[in-house]
Amino acid sequence: GAVVSQHPSRVICKSGTSVKIECRSLDFQATTMFWYRQFPKKSLMLMATSNEGSKATYEQGVEKDKFLINHASLTLSTLTVTSAHPEDSSFYICSARDPSGGHQETQYFGPGTRLLVL
Amino acid sequence: DAKTTQPPSMDCAEGRAANLPCNHSTISGNEYVYWYRQIHSQGPQYIIHGLKNNETNEMASLIITEDRKSSTLILPHATLRDTAVYYCIVRATGNMLTFGGGTRLMVKP
Repeated sequence: GAVVSQHPSRVICKSGTSVKIECRSLDFQATTMFWYRQFPKKSLMLMATSNEGSKATYEQGVEKDKFLINHASLTLSTLTVTSAHPEDSSFYICSARDPSGGHQETQYFGPGTRLLVL
Repeated sequence: DAKTTQPPSMDCAEGRAANLPCNHSTISGNEYVYWYRQIHSQGPQYIIHGLKNNETNEMASLIITEDRKSSTLILPHATLRDTAVYYCIVRATGNMLTFGGGTRLMVKP
């Protein structure tokens, strides 16, 4: 299957700082990428849909000014957690749609980024 | 997208077939059945998907009932590395994936 990478794999930061997470589709171009968040022992929750060249679409309850998403190219989307607080500590996972499947585009996921805010 | 129902957990003996059920009684004609799995502390891994015909790939087989209201993911020879949470997701073209609770499969030696 297609490969999606994330960087960094884990990050520890102080409260009040900003953290940027990169998501790359390595062997395909993705016009649409997704950002999910997962708390311990919980399922993945969609945060936002990232569209190349346009503004992201955020799910209800997700603050767009706190979770900045940029999808500047067909292979890169970034999520910046601004002014991070301990409650933002979570496992952040990105996903990208591979358009090669025709009308039924399969979503592939990155390995995730574990964020710990102290 | 249609909601799915899966058992919260299952056990399977190593080397045996693991059969993971999923109910999706409200599935629409244009919705596909997707299966992903998530091994601890990793991102979800795509396994297989289908519309109405049974599907097989190198990882698993997907059996969809004729009325499409349920499906079964089959791992033919489960190994310890197959221990993971398995998610059955119903999705129409163009929609994003929405994850439920999944089934926690424990493969035991």
